[in-house]
Amino acid sequence: NAGVTQTPKFQVLKTGQSMTLQCAQDMNHNSMYWYRQDPGMGLRLIYYSASEGTTDKGEVPNGYNVSRLNKREFSLRLESAAPSQTSVYFCASTYRQSNEQFFGPGTRLTVL
Amino acid sequence: SQELEQSPQSLIVQEGKNLTINCTSSKTLYGLYWYKQKYGEGLIFLMMLQKGGEEKSHEKITAKLDEKKQQSSLHITASQPSHAGIYLCGAAYTSGTYKYIFGTGTRLKVLA
Repeated sequence: NAGVTQTPKFQVLKTGQSMTLQCAQDMNHNSMYWYRQDPGMGLRLIYYSASEGTTDKGEVPNGYNVSRLNKREFSLRLESAAPSQTSVYFCASTYRQSNEQFFGPGTRLTVL
Repeated sequence: SQELEQSPQSLIVQEGKNLTINCTSSKTLYGLYWYKQKYGEGLIFLMMLQKGGEEKSHEKITAKLDEKKQQSSLHITASQPSHAGIYLCGAAYTSGTYKYIFGTGTRLKVLA
């Protein structure tokens, strides 16, 4: 099993450009999450999907959109990237709520 | 998040020494999760604690949750260079939550 996979691993964007971060899990988990990790601020939840077909806002959703394409895949879209969105983005999944989360390797995004 | 404080922020120890990392919550926890993150990589799940007074071990790493379920400690015995990385604690405050809170992490360096 690959666990949680993310693409791309690195990305550089110019202000105003758009892009989609992809995440997939092969553990038959019901719930999926997107976090950003910034120095000194820990992990902050952007959006989550409790189950296929549902998505909800987390702590810092502004400037992002998500799509739960199917049970395996959960994508994060930046419509108009801003320098404040420079961060490391992690996708995670759980079998059910309050269970331990399994994380992908992360996407390092720089917005110039 | 200030709901979950980790200490110390960073730690440098000589190989073979024992060390302890603390995670303190401002509220009673439902579940407490310990993760290890190698520099530039994703988070690896170590242990989950739920019951007051619970203690779990994984190789040379032991984690405890206090009786009041507001503080956890992670203890490494006879540290090795392979233990180096960032240790993060995460918390769930209710059984049905999808919104986990994370500490800002403790950077551990082990000198050979």
